[in-house]
Amino acid sequence: GDSVTQTEGPVTVSESESLIINCTYSATSIAYPNLFWYVRYPGEGLQLLLKVITAGQKGSSRGFEATYNKETTSFHLQKASVQESDSAVYYCALGDNNAGAKLTFGGGTRLTVRP
Amino acid sequence: EAAVTQSPRSKVAVTGGKVTLSCHQTNNHDYMYWYRQDTGHGLRLIHYSYVADSTEKGDIPDGYKASRPSQENFSLILELASLSQTAVYFCASSERTGGREQYFGPGTRLTVL
Repeated sequence: GDSVTQTEGPVTVSESESLIINCTYSATSIAYPNLFWYVRYPGEGLQLLLKVITAGQKGSSRGFEATYNKETTSFHLQKASVQESDSAVYYCALGDNNAGAKLTFGGGTRLTVRP
Repeated sequence: EAAVTQSPRSKVAVTGGKVTLSCHQTNNHDYMYWYRQDTGHGLRLIHYSYVADSTEKGDIPDGYKASRPSQENFSLILELASLSQTAVYFCASSERTGGREQYFGPGTRLTVL
């Protein structure tokens, strides 16, 4: 079946350091995967951070970037300089281009940024 | 204003009891979903619905029922709650068009004792 594997947390970095959270996927039943990064801040629901629906393309938001690499089946999340406000749980997710298709989530990576 | 709301936000239930979790969306979306998250694990799909009065099974439907009485409302029902159903439950909605993001509620923390 379809699956998503991402960096196990918790991850702790200092403010202004760089960050990479790895995400790899297996899309055995999806012809055209869509890839997402969601973030969950304390006390809130998941919200979309960025998405990419075309292989080879890069998505970016709030200083975060992720490139959809079909060859390595990866969608790693990167940020050059993190801030304390980036502390949250990050989820990589795999979707289908079909209408209303479900998302397959990775286990989530809890990030703590030290001031 | 939050577009997807859930109630209650937390609940303690007894084993064998009935639990109903409610979700309301103001996004005018056709699709609604129920996920559960266990500590250290990703979200897993329980049930979803693409139209009122119809529900579909997700990946882990056993022990759960769903009800979609209107486009805005989607409930998750645990007829006989069990210890293994202790988790955080998230509701989400999305447009009919493929590839669209899902919009999530804040979650309901359910503890079954």
